[in-house]
Amino acid sequence: GAGVSQTPSNKVTEKGKYVELRCDPISGHTALYWYRQSLGQGPEFLIYFQGTGAADDSGLPNDRFFAVRPEGSVSTLKIQRTERGDSAVYLCASSHGSTGELFFGEGSRLTVL
Amino acid sequence: GENVEQHPSTLSVQEGDSAVIKCTYSDSASNYFPWYKQELGKGPQLIIDIRSNVGEKKDQRIAVTLNKTAKHFSLHITETQPEDSAVYFCAASYDSNYQLIWGAGTKLIIKP
Repeated sequence: GAGVSQTPSNKVTEKGKYVELRCDPISGHTALYWYRQSLGQGPEFLIYFQGTGAADDSGLPNDRFFAVRPEGSVSTLKIQRTERGDSAVYLCASSHGSTGELFFGEGSRLTVL
Repeated sequence: GENVEQHPSTLSVQEGDSAVIKCTYSDSASNYFPWYKQELGKGPQLIIDIRSNVGEKKDQRIAVTLNKTAKHFSLHITETQPEDSAVYFCAASYDSNYQLIWGAGTKLIIKP
Protein backbone atom coordinates (compact mmCIF):
# COMPACT_ATOMS: atom_id res chain seq x y z
CA GLY A 1 0.00 0.00 0.00
CA ALA A 2 0.97 3.62 -0.38
CA GLY A 3 0.51 4.72 3.22
CA VAL A 4 1.83 3.87 6.67
CA SER A 5 0.33 0.61 7.86
CA GLN A 6 -0.12 -0.29 11.54
CA THR A 7 -1.21 -3.57 13.05
CA PRO A 8 -3.19 -4.51 14.99
CA SER A 9 -5.74 -1.72 14.74
CA ASN A 10 -7.10 -2.72 18.13
CA LYS A 11 -5.51 -4.67 20.95
CA VAL A 12 -7.14 -5.55 24.25
CA THR A 13 -4.89 -7.12 26.86
CA GLU A 14 -4.76 -7.76 30.56
CA LYS A 15 -2.60 -5.91 33.02
CA GLY A 16 0.86 -7.45 33.20
CA LYS A 17 0.85 -8.92 29.70
CA TYR A 18 3.35 -8.23 26.90
CA VAL A 19 2.26 -6.57 23.65
CA GLU A 20 3.85 -5.80 20.30
CA LEU A 21 2.64 -3.15 17.89
CA ARG A 22 3.88 -3.14 14.31
CA CYS A 23 4.47 -0.29 11.89
CA ASP A 24 5.17 -0.62 8.17
CA PRO A 25 6.30 2.81 6.90
CA ILE A 26 6.08 4.27 3.41
CA SER A 27 8.68 2.63 1.20
CA GLY A 28 11.89 4.64 1.06
CA HIS A 29 11.20 6.74 4.14
CA THR A 30 14.31 6.67 6.30
CA ALA A 31 12.76 8.35 9.34
CA LEU A 32 10.19 6.60 11.52
CA TYR A 33 8.48 7.91 14.63
CA TRP A 34 6.29 6.46 17.35
CA TYR A 35 3.81 8.66 19.19
CA ARG A 36 1.23 7.98 21.87
CA GLN A 37 -2.10 9.79 21.87
CA SER A 38 -4.47 9.82 24.81
CA LEU A 39 -8.10 10.86 24.44
CA GLY A 40 -8.46 14.59 23.91
CA GLN A 41 -4.72 15.18 23.64
CA GLY A 42 -2.18 15.79 20.94
CA PRO A 43 0.36 13.13 20.03
CA GLU A 44 3.19 12.64 22.51
CA PHE A 45 6.61 11.75 21.08
CA LEU A 46 8.04 8.38 22.10
CA ILE A 47 10.97 7.48 19.81
CA TYR A 48 12.54 8.42 16.47
CA PHE A 49 14.51 6.15 14.15
CA GLN A 50 16.82 7.27 11.36
CA GLY A 51 17.47 4.09 9.43
CA THR A 52 18.01 1.17 11.80
CA GLY A 53 19.13 3.15 14.82
CA ALA A 54 17.10 4.95 17.45
CA ALA A 55 18.25 8.54 17.03
CA ASP A 56 16.20 9.74 19.99
CA ASP A 57 14.33 7.58 22.51
CA SER A 58 13.92 10.29 25.12
CA GLY A 59 10.11 10.09 24.95
CA LEU A 60 9.86 6.46 26.08
CA PRO A 61 8.18 6.71 29.50
CA ASN A 62 10.15 3.93 31.22
CA ASP A 63 12.10 0.75 30.57
CA ARG A 64 8.95 -1.29 29.94
CA PHE A 65 8.83 0.33 26.52
CA PHE A 66 11.21 -0.65 23.74
CA ALA A 67 11.21 -0.30 19.96
CA VAL A 68 13.26 -1.84 17.17
CA ARG A 69 13.72 -1.33 13.45
CA PRO A 70 16.23 -4.04 12.53
CA GLU A 71 16.28 -3.61 8.74
CA GLY A 72 15.49 0.08 8.53
CA SER A 73 11.91 -0.48 7.40
CA VAL A 74 9.31 -2.19 9.62
CA SER A 75 9.36 -1.19 13.29
CA THR A 76 7.93 -2.91 16.34
CA LEU A 77 7.01 -1.16 19.59
CA LYS A 78 7.19 -3.54 22.51
CA ILE A 79 5.54 -2.99 25.88
CA GLN A 80 6.30 -5.30 28.80
CA ARG A 81 4.20 -5.78 31.92
CA THR A 82 1.43 -3.56 30.61
CA GLU A 83 -0.38 -1.22 32.99
CA ARG A 84 -3.82 0.37 32.70
CA GLY A 85 -2.13 3.74 32.18
CA ASP A 86 -0.60 2.43 28.95
CA SER A 87 -4.04 2.47 27.34
CA ALA A 88 -3.91 4.89 24.41
CA VAL A 89 -3.67 5.05 20.63
CA TYR A 90 -0.13 4.40 19.46
CA LEU A 91 0.63 6.26 16.24
CA CYS A 92 3.45 5.58 13.84
CA ALA A 93 4.66 8.10 11.27
CA SER A 94 7.36 8.16 8.62
CA SER A 95 9.07 10.85 6.56
CA HIS A 96 11.93 11.54 4.15
CA GLY A 97 14.57 12.44 6.71
CA SER A 98 13.76 14.41 9.83
CA THR A 99 12.43 17.50 8.07
CA GLY A 100 10.12 16.00 5.46
CA GLU A 101 6.34 15.87 5.84
CA LEU A 102 5.15 13.42 8.48
CA PHE A 103 2.80 10.71 7.22
CA PHE A 104 0.84 8.97 9.97
CA GLY A 105 -0.75 5.56 10.12
CA GLU A 106 -4.24 5.07 11.53
CA GLY A 107 -2.86 3.96 14.87
CA SER A 108 -3.11 0.93 17.13
CA ARG A 109 -5.62 1.35 19.94
CA LEU A 110 -4.31 -0.42 23.05
CA THR A 111 -6.67 -1.14 25.93
CA VAL A 112 -5.24 -2.62 29.11
CA LEU A 113 -7.87 -4.12 31.39
CA GLY B 1 11.38 23.29 26.96
CA GLU B 2 8.76 24.24 24.41
CA ASN B 3 5.10 24.48 25.41
CA VAL B 4 2.26 24.94 22.94
CA GLU B 5 -1.19 26.11 23.98
CA GLN B 6 -4.14 25.91 21.62
CA HIS B 7 -7.61 27.40 21.81
CA PRO B 8 -10.48 27.05 21.61
CA SER B 9 -10.84 23.39 22.50
CA THR B 10 -14.14 23.26 20.58
CA LEU B 11 -15.32 25.55 17.79
CA SER B 12 -18.72 25.39 16.15
CA VAL B 13 -19.37 27.47 13.03
CA GLN B 14 -22.09 27.69 10.42
CA GLU B 15 -21.29 26.15 7.06
CA GLY B 16 -19.84 28.83 4.81
CA ASP B 17 -18.50 30.94 7.67
CA SER B 18 -14.83 31.26 8.61
CA ALA B 19 -13.06 29.47 11.44
CA VAL B 20 -9.96 30.64 13.31
CA ILE B 21 -7.86 28.52 15.66
CA LYS B 22 -5.02 30.08 17.66
CA CYS B 23 -1.84 28.72 19.21
CA THR B 24 0.88 30.23 21.34
CA TYR B 25 4.36 28.83 21.92
CA SER B 26 6.99 29.53 24.52
CA ASP B 27 10.39 28.84 22.91
CA SER B 28 11.54 31.73 20.74
CA ALA B 29 13.97 29.35 18.97
CA SER B 30 11.08 27.42 17.39
CA ASN B 31 10.96 28.02 13.65
CA TYR B 32 8.63 25.38 12.19
CA PHE B 33 4.86 25.46 12.76
CA PRO B 34 2.69 22.79 11.11
CA TRP B 35 -1.05 22.27 11.36
CA TYR B 36 -2.56 18.79 11.26
CA LYS B 37 -6.12 17.62 10.70
CA GLN B 38 -7.28 14.41 12.37
CA GLU B 39 -10.52 12.73 11.40
CA LEU B 40 -12.16 10.15 13.63
CA GLY B 41 -10.24 6.88 13.62
CA LYS B 42 -7.45 8.26 11.43
CA GLY B 43 -3.95 9.50 11.99
CA PRO B 44 -3.18 13.24 11.78
CA GLN B 45 -2.62 14.65 8.28
CA LEU B 46 -0.53 17.72 7.51
CA ILE B 47 -2.69 20.46 5.96
CA ILE B 48 -0.36 23.45 6.00
CA ASP B 49 2.87 24.56 7.62
CA ILE B 50 4.87 27.74 7.98
CA ARG B 51 8.47 28.54 8.76
CA SER B 52 9.61 31.56 10.66
CA ASN B 53 10.99 33.40 7.65
CA VAL B 54 7.45 34.16 6.43
CA GLY B 55 4.46 35.75 8.14
CA GLU B 56 1.62 34.19 6.17
CA LYS B 57 0.98 31.26 3.88
CA LYS B 58 -2.17 30.36 1.93
CA ASP B 59 -3.42 27.23 0.25
CA GLN B 60 -6.88 27.64 -1.27
CA ARG B 61 -9.33 28.02 1.67
CA ILE B 62 -6.67 27.54 4.33
CA ALA B 63 -4.17 30.10 5.60
CA VAL B 64 -1.72 30.28 8.46
CA THR B 65 -0.33 33.45 10.01
CA LEU B 66 2.68 33.74 12.28
CA ASN B 67 3.61 36.51 14.69
CA LYS B 68 7.12 35.75 15.96
CA THR B 69 7.25 38.73 18.27
CA ALA B 70 4.11 37.68 20.11
CA LYS B 71 4.91 33.98 19.66
CA HIS B 72 1.59 33.00 18.28
CA PHE B 73 0.28 31.50 15.06
CA SER B 74 -3.21 30.94 13.74
CA LEU B 75 -5.08 28.74 11.29
CA HIS B 76 -7.79 30.36 9.19
CA ILE B 77 -10.34 28.32 7.22
CA THR B 78 -12.69 30.26 4.95
CA GLU B 79 -15.97 29.11 3.36
CA THR B 80 -16.15 26.15 5.72
CA GLN B 81 -17.65 22.90 4.43
CA PRO B 82 -18.98 19.81 6.25
CA GLU B 83 -15.81 17.89 5.38
CA ASP B 84 -13.80 20.41 7.40
CA SER B 85 -15.27 18.89 10.58
CA ALA B 86 -12.36 17.25 12.42
CA VAL B 87 -9.85 17.83 15.21
CA TYR B 88 -7.09 20.28 14.30
CA PHE B 89 -3.68 20.29 15.99
CA CYS B 90 -0.98 22.91 15.90
CA ALA B 91 2.64 22.09 16.67
CA ALA B 92 6.00 23.81 16.98
CA SER B 93 9.62 22.76 16.73
CA TYR B 94 13.12 23.86 15.93
CA ASP B 95 13.86 22.56 12.46
CA SER B 96 12.72 18.97 12.70
CA ASN B 97 9.70 16.73 12.92
CA TYR B 98 10.59 14.50 15.82
CA GLN B 99 10.97 17.38 18.21
CA LEU B 100 7.44 18.62 17.46
CA ILE B 101 5.52 19.79 20.51
CA TRP B 102 1.79 19.53 19.91
CA GLY B 103 -1.17 21.54 21.11
CA ALA B 104 -4.11 19.77 22.73
CA GLY B 105 -6.32 20.09 19.67
CA THR B 106 -9.46 21.93 18.56
CA LYS B 107 -12.61 20.06 17.63
CA LEU B 108 -14.13 21.95 14.71
CA ILE B 109 -17.83 21.37 14.11
CA ILE B 110 -19.43 22.67 10.90
CA LYS B 111 -23.17 23.15 11.31
CA PRO B 112 -25.27 22.66 8.16
